[in-house]
Amino acid sequence: DAGVIQSPRHEVTEMGQEVTLRCKPISGHNSLFWYRQTMMRGLELLIYFNNNVPIDDSGMPEDRFSAKMPNASFSTLKIQPSEPRDSAVYFCASSLYRVGSETQYFGPGTRLLVL
Amino acid sequence: SQQGEEDPQALSIQEGENATMNCSYKTSINNLQWYRQNSGRGLVHLILIRSNEREKHSGRLRVTLDTSKKSSSLLITASRAADTASYFCATDMKGGSEKLVFGKGTKLTVNP
Repeated sequence: DAGVIQSPRHEVTEMGQEVTLRCKPISGHNSLFWYRQTMMRGLELLIYFNNNVPIDDSGMPEDRFSAKMPNASFSTLKIQPSEPRDSAVYFCASSLYRVGSETQYFGPGTRLLVL
Repeated sequence: SQQGEEDPQALSIQEGENATMNCSYKTSINNLQWYRQNSGRGLVHLILIRSNEREKHSGRLRVTLDTSKKSSSLLITASRAADTASYFCATDMKGGSEKLVFGKGTKLTVNP
């Protein structure tokens, strides 16, 4: 299996622009997670889906962030408009289980820089 | 919010030595997991230990869990340069929303 796939791997954009991050989970996995990692705050859960349905989005920072999972093999995280403080590494992870507390498999991450 | 907290923040050892990292948490858990992150990469799951387990082994890794002290330790025996990475513990919260909360990690450097 190819593992969790994320694109793009790197993104540099200017403040105010829309950013879309993409994720393809491992086939057959039932849960998908979006995390953000910064030096200051560490690894934070933004949102997770179970069977394509958002279960917990309490970590989404503000209305500028939105996430969708239109089918079992694809999810997007969108930031509109982007701000310099959104600069971070964004990880997607998936899990075979229907709860968010079991083993998770992480993608390589998208390194976002907002100028 | 509950969070695992690793100790030490950084650890530097020589190849062949053992490395021990600790994790403390605040509230009762269902399970505790350890992950490794190499520089510039995603996290890789190492081991999961449930609240009713006290010790678990996987290759050169040994994890212990003391629920009375709300702490866990990760021991890497006979370390190699390739073990250089950051190590994170992740906990859920018993009776909570069934999601993982990660600590800030221990940065391990194994010198050849």
